[in-house]
Amino acid sequence: GDSVTQMEGPVTLSEEAFLTINCTYTATGYPSLFWYVQYPGEGLQLLLKATKADDKGSNKGFEATYRKETTSFHLEKGSVQVSDSAVYFCALSDNNAGKSTFGDGTTLTVKP
Amino acid sequence: NAGVTQTPKFQVLKTGQSMTLQCAQDMNHEYMSWYRQDPGMGLRLIHYSVGAGITDQGEVPNGYNVSRSTTEDFPLRLLSAAPSQTSVYFCASGSGGGRGYTFGSGTRLTVV
Repeated sequence: GDSVTQMEGPVTLSEEAFLTINCTYTATGYPSLFWYVQYPGEGLQLLLKATKADDKGSNKGFEATYRKETTSFHLEKGSVQVSDSAVYFCALSDNNAGKSTFGDGTTLTVKP
Repeated sequence: NAGVTQTPKFQVLKTGQSMTLQCAQDMNHEYMSWYRQDPGMGLRLIHYSVGAGITDQGEVPNGYNVSRSTTEDFPLRLLSAAPSQTSVYFCASGSGGGRGYTFGSGTRLTVV
């Protein structure tokens, strides 16, 4: 079945540092890929997405590229802020199956 | 505001009690899902629906029932609560096609 593997956390960075959170996937077919963010006490929010190979999703300074050859969708941000502290989830979705598969989440803490 | 509404936000049950977690969306989304979130285990799919009258089991369906009589509503029923069902429950809806999902704010359930 489908699966998503994220780098284990937690990740602690200083403000303005470069962020990478690795994500690899296993799926049949050609899924869409997503990053979601969860702030404390809240539900998940869609951060960015990519629907086909070589697509780059971007939002709020975050970006990720759909790499079919390495089955990866790594999240990057050039300069993190304290407000980026949250849990980040990588996910995939078979476009017409009506469900998504999530990674275990990576907790990011950014210190001033 | 448009979105996914979950009620209640918090609930304490005694072992053996039954209850229904409510989920409603006003975006006319075909797809709806229920997940549970436990520390260190990411999100696990309980049940999902691809349209009114159609439901299917996810990864961890035992002890839960669902029905989808309308597009808007997708209630989750706990038949006989057990301490292992202590978790945070999230409902999500989406329209497929790689657009991602909108999540509710969650229900924190404790079974004693």
